[in-house]
Amino acid sequence: GAVVSQHPSRVICKSGTSVKIECRSLDFQATTMFWYRQFPKQSLMLMATSNEGSKATYEQGVEKDKFLINHASLTLSTLTVTSAHPEDSSFYICSAREPRGVDEQYFGPGTRLTVT
Amino acid sequence: GEDVEQSLFLSVREGDSSVINCTYTDSSSTYLYWYKQEPGAGLQLLTYIFSNMDMKQDQRLTVLLNKKDKHLSLRIADTQTGDSAIYFCAERWGVPGGYNKLIFGAGTRLAVHP
Repeated sequence: GAVVSQHPSRVICKSGTSVKIECRSLDFQATTMFWYRQFPKQSLMLMATSNEGSKATYEQGVEKDKFLINHASLTLSTLTVTSAHPEDSSFYICSAREPRGVDEQYFGPGTRLTVT
Repeated sequence: GEDVEQSLFLSVREGDSSVINCTYTDSSSTYLYWYKQEPGAGLQLLTYIFSNMDMKQDQRLTVLLNKKDKHLSLRIADTQTGDSAIYFCAERWGVPGGYNKLIFGAGTRLAVHP
């Protein structure tokens, strides 16, 4: 089946620094990738939709200047958390859309970000 | 608006059946999904059902869909300790511009005890 990887799986950074998270589709081309944020014991909140070669579409309430998304190729999307603060600490999950069949999303394993 | 609701917790005895329920909002949703999340991991697609179906069975999993009531359920037969996880119901929403996004429920934490 389709596999999506994320890197890193866990990162700890200091307040004020920026962190980049990568999402890769390993065996299929993904024209669309999605970035989610999950708080402890809560559901996934869609942050933005990333389309290859164009600007990301952000959900209401998500700061586009803080969460920079780049989808430079059909297999890679990156999320950069800029000037991170402790409240940005969360579990970030990406998914990649496989448009064939039921048009389903395949999810990465997630990245745990801790900002100290 | 977009809202998918699930009960938050379910505890069952090993070997019994588990039934996880979900209600959704968009009557035009074409696909409804069940995902499983184990601790510290991403989401694994368990099964899905197309909106013109009432039931779908896949090994130990049975999905029932009541379109009139916008109610979806997932039944796990012969529940095992390895089934302990969080189960998310999701509906697919069409977005102007041609792509679809998933709206997730809050997740049901299934605990399986001996």
